[in-house]
Amino acid sequence: SYVLTQPPSVSVAPGKTARITCGGSDIGSDSVHWYQQKPGQAPVLVISYDSDRPSGIPERFSGSNSGNTATLTISRVEVGDEADYYCQVWQSSNGHWVFGGGTKVAV
Amino acid sequence: EVQLVESGGGLVQPGGSRRLSCAASGLTVTNSYMTWVRQSPGKGLEWVSTLHSEETTRYADSVRGRFTISRHNSNNTLYLQMNSLKLEDTAVYYCARWKAGSGFDIWGPGTLVTVSS
Repeated sequence: SYVLTQPPSVSVAPGKTARITCGGSDIGSDSVHWYQQKPGQAPVLVISYDSDRPSGIPERFSGSNSGNTATLTISRVEVGDEADYYCQVWQSSNGHWVFGGGTKVAV
Repeated sequence: EVQLVESGGGLVQPGGSRRLSCAASGLTVTNSYMTWVRQSPGKGLEWVSTLHSEETTRYADSVRGRFTISRHNSNNTLYLQMNSLKLEDTAVYYCARWKAGSGFDIWGPGTLVTVSS
């Protein structure tokens, strides 16, 4: 089955830029979605289709996807961005969804 | 306001059954692509099952043959029937709506299922 690989944790100082990677075989050919999850809460969609930002998500959140790596970038990081972040793709071969293992962002 | 609310979680013994419900408001489950996602304590998100608007279903390998996803049009509710439960099925179960062009944009708060003797 398809595996998405994320770093377990990323540490960033307030005001700096955090980059969270999601590795997968030829992931650039897929559409990648990103979710933010804070403790005790349900996930929230922050980036869809590689780089689209849903309504209400700050412009500080952006995404890219090419080759074997998709990246979620958080600019001008705030303390409130501390959360777990998950990437997700849809496997057209079997109609299954796959999540990455998640990355904990510490500010 | 578009909202999903899960219920039906609780303590169940290994080998037992449980049915989860996901009540929808502000959207129609009949016309939506609905899914269940779970999260074991301290672990990441795991996709469980999906029900397309065309009645097509999909299941993760870990639950196929034991779980059944369905919906009831009259009460606008999504269900997950879970049979032959195992210890490793212990998790918070979330229902979510997939919207084309948006992703899984609406999630419920989740309901906890604990499988233990």
